Amino acid sequence: DVKVTQSSRYLVKRTGEKVFLECVQDMDHENMFWYRQDPGLGLRLIYFSYDVKMKEKGDIPEGYSVSREKKERFSLILESASTNQTSMYLCASSQGQGAPYRSLHFGNGTRLTVT
Amino acid sequence: AQKVTQAQTEISVVEKEDVTLDCVYETRDTTYYLFWYKQPPSGELVFLIRRNSFDEQNEISGRYSWNFQKSTSSFNFTITASQVVDSAVYFCALSELTQGGSEKLVFGKGTKLTVNP
Repeated sequence: DVKVTQSSRYLVKRTGEKVFLECVQDMDHENMFWYRQDPGLGLRLIYFSYDVKMKEKGDIPEGYSVSREKKERFSLILESASTNQTSMYLCASSQGQGAPYRSLHFGNGTRLTVT
Repeated sequence: AQKVTQAQTEISVVEKEDVTLDCVYETRDTTYYLFWYKQPPSGELVFLIRRNSFDEQNEISGRYSWNFQKSTSSFNFTITASQVVDSAVYFCALSELTQGGSEKLVFGKGTKLTVNP
């Protein structure tokens, strides 16, 4: 079974801190994604990557950056955390670089609170 | 841009009732994929089904069935004889081709289903 592991289940940070959310997948998937989930808004795509060192902006990239130095790891970075970034963050991966879409496999999520 | 609408925010049923979750989508692409995911209270999203736009055959998997109608841009999900364990948030999603040539998923806002004993 594919496993997508997010390093923290809960995280509390202060406004202005630099925050790193880490995600690792163990199935050699090419594609990796970061979503945030907010009540009433569903899942919104922040950034995704279809190859090492490649990244593409999603629908709400402002205030975030990403890093993919290795195929299995995809990091989401909040350069200067703000209270409106309090949310559930979901990492996902899938096969198929540029190929017809496979199903996404999600991690358990990181609930980030910025105070 | 692609769009997925799940008009039902919350649904509450009694165990053993049948329930249908609606999903309507908008897309410019001729080839696309539709998905349903389940998010139980534990939080992890679980893949349920993927449907190619060229395959309009309905699908049944146990108590779950999916009705894909291209003419009405709908991909509805029915749970027959619902059980308490079906309580979850259900998301419908649509693939979208990006300008860079890769693909991503656009999700609806989800429907929270509560099945009461």
